[in-house]
Amino acid sequence: GAVVSQHPSRVICKSGTSVKIECRSLDFQATTMFWYRQFPKQSLMLMATSNEGSKATYEQGVEKDKFLINHASLTLSTLTVTSAHPEDSSFYICSASARGDYNEQFFGPGTRLTVL
Amino acid sequence: GQSLEQPSEVTAVEGAIVQINCTYQTSGFYGLSWYQQHDGGAPTFLSYNALDGLEETGRFSSFLSRSDSYGYLLLQELQMKDSASYFCAVRMDSSYKLIFGSGTRLLVRP
Repeated sequence: GAVVSQHPSRVICKSGTSVKIECRSLDFQATTMFWYRQFPKQSLMLMATSNEGSKATYEQGVEKDKFLINHASLTLSTLTVTSAHPEDSSFYICSASARGDYNEQFFGPGTRLTVL
Repeated sequence: GQSLEQPSEVTAVEGAIVQINCTYQTSGFYGLSWYQQHDGGAPTFLSYNALDGLEETGRFSSFLSRSDSYGYLLLQELQMKDSASYFCAVRMDSSYKLIFGSGTRLLVRP
């Protein structure tokens, strides 16, 4: 149980376009979802915390108008990278926490974004 | 700001024991987690310590000392498949929000 999926797994786009990444909890209701980005051989940097039905909470230094997060239901959160530029190329990973006494976040497989 | 320090790289031989340390300075603390990540893959949960002491799960054990803001992950009977990056992460509050350390790349040699 506790499976999180992400779509797409890999995307290549031109500079200036917008890219949407979906994160779904497949077999549980996620009280909270988190979005991270990770550069090669570096740590996971938390971008934002997303609660269903409310606005996302962004970490310091993350542009909320550039990285739009929508959490429409207890099983789906989306991250849209608007007007993407080459410096936005990264590995984007979502995770979800479940209701109940769990001490772990369940991570999706990640999305590799390459902006040309 | 938040700070979690780990060694950047560790090398060990198959069958050996290795300890990966983590020291932290964060504005909030609920507990310390450890995650494993293979190259190109998603992080997978290994352990969580909310209280001081040692937690053992198979070949992996994790230790926490809240008074020292310190923890470690102990890997025993190392196998080649254990070659990966290991991250400590502080759970900041009841929301399960995690702040990750810089990560330790473990290389297991034959």
